[in-house]
Amino acid sequence: NAGVMQNPRHLVRRRGQEARLRCSPMKGHSHVYWYRQLPEEGLKFMVYLQKENIIDESGMPKERFSAEFPKEGPSILRIQQVVRGDSAAYFCASSHRLGQGVGWTEAFFGQGTRLTVV
Amino acid sequence: GNSVTQMEGPVTLSEEAFLTINCTYTATGYPSLFWYVQYPGEGLQLLLKATKADDKGSNKGFEATYRKETTSFHLEKGSVQVSDSAVYFCAGITGANSKLTFGKGITLSVRP
Repeated sequence: NAGVMQNPRHLVRRRGQEARLRCSPMKGHSHVYWYRQLPEEGLKFMVYLQKENIIDESGMPKERFSAEFPKEGPSILRIQQVVRGDSAAYFCASSHRLGQGVGWTEAFFGQGTRLTVV
Repeated sequence: GNSVTQMEGPVTLSEEAFLTINCTYTATGYPSLFWYVQYPGEGLQLLLKATKADDKGSNKGFEATYRKETTSFHLEKGSVQVSDSAVYFCAGITGANSKLTFGKGITLSVRP
């Protein structure tokens, strides 16, 4: 019963290149979150997805960033034309939702992808 | 909107000291509440949770009680160890289409 798998663990990109971060949720989970973490800072919410549907993208920068969670395959966070300020750890989490009567379930996190833009 | 507020850090304690990390929430409806821990270089791990008022979550000697009257979910441990040094995040979620909202996190350092 594998946990949330993110790859790559470390990614180095030159300014202007594209970065693709992958997240395979836990088996049976249909909801995925993406968060960004900068050194000495907390977690910043980016996007919340259900399969084939974006539920909340209020934390996503308006340009260069996009996310998808297709019916088959992993969730992808794509950053186009990366800049130095995109250097951070990006975490994915997955969950499956229960009804309100039994409480909302927790999210399980991957190990993160550490993106360095040089 | 929903929000989670944690006490400011960092916190430094001696081994075997008592730990309290405050967390309060603001939400429409009744959230489920969580504490996560992040060890250096790793992702977040769920430490404990509570899904309704008066629930007490506990794990590895840590406890937190969901207090509806004070909208709080403070984390406590009676005797901390050096291995508890990590960043601790309080989080909450209130509905089917609401995101998991985190506090800013607090760094705990435990000295031998």
